[in-house]
Amino acid sequence: AQSVAQPEDQVNVAEGNPLTVKCTYSVSGNPYLFWYVQYPNRGLQFLLKYITGDNLVKGSYGFEAEFNKSQTSFHLKKPSALVSDSALYFCAVSRYSSASKIIFGSGTRLSIRP
Amino acid sequence: GAGVSQSPRYKVTKRGQDVALRCDPISGHVSLYWYRQALGQGPEFLTYFNYEAQQDKSGLPNDRFSAERPEGSISTLTIQRTEQRDSAMYRCASSLPRGTLLRTGELFFGEGSRLTVL
Repeated sequence: AQSVAQPEDQVNVAEGNPLTVKCTYSVSGNPYLFWYVQYPNRGLQFLLKYITGDNLVKGSYGFEAEFNKSQTSFHLKKPSALVSDSALYFCAVSRYSSASKIIFGSGTRLSIRP
Repeated sequence: GAGVSQSPRYKVTKRGQDVALRCDPISGHVSLYWYRQALGQGPEFLTYFNYEAQQDKSGLPNDRFSAERPEGSISTLTIQRTEQRDSAMYRCASSLPRGTLLRTGELFFGEGSRLTVL
């Protein structure tokens, strides 16, 4: 079985400050890990993914995520937050194998104040 | 079209009626996924296909829910004898251009079909 936990329902950050959105996962074998963003009344958009290789993955809009195998974590980060980053963020996991199901976390609402 | 297309965008039905939700994936995408999403929550996995084969339907809530993708392109999610608890946003996503290695790839989501059961 595979699962994802996003322990924070909401994260509040001042514009210009660094942000972190936490994600931990559970999967048998090696994981594929993803981050998606959802703006109000829109579909989900892909941000970045980890498959193998460098533990620090860079994605869209200046976001990056760090894979930590020992802690089974894949936290999303950005050095300097923008008000436009305010949205709902979802972490997702799949098994490292032929195309398989992708399980999403419950989401974290990121709110950036000016 | 260029993206994943879902129809209808909005569906209001009475309890006990059957509904069919359609997904037209990105042309050439091998994998197709169905999710259900409650407001402010994460997408809940329902089922997925590689080509026309349904690979995993473990997320379908009960036998009133079914899905098919007979020609490996368009998919239909059918809910029979709808109940109020079926009200939700149903999202389809596709992945993996044909010809690439069959590995899990990033999903491209449609705008969803919002189902309301009265």
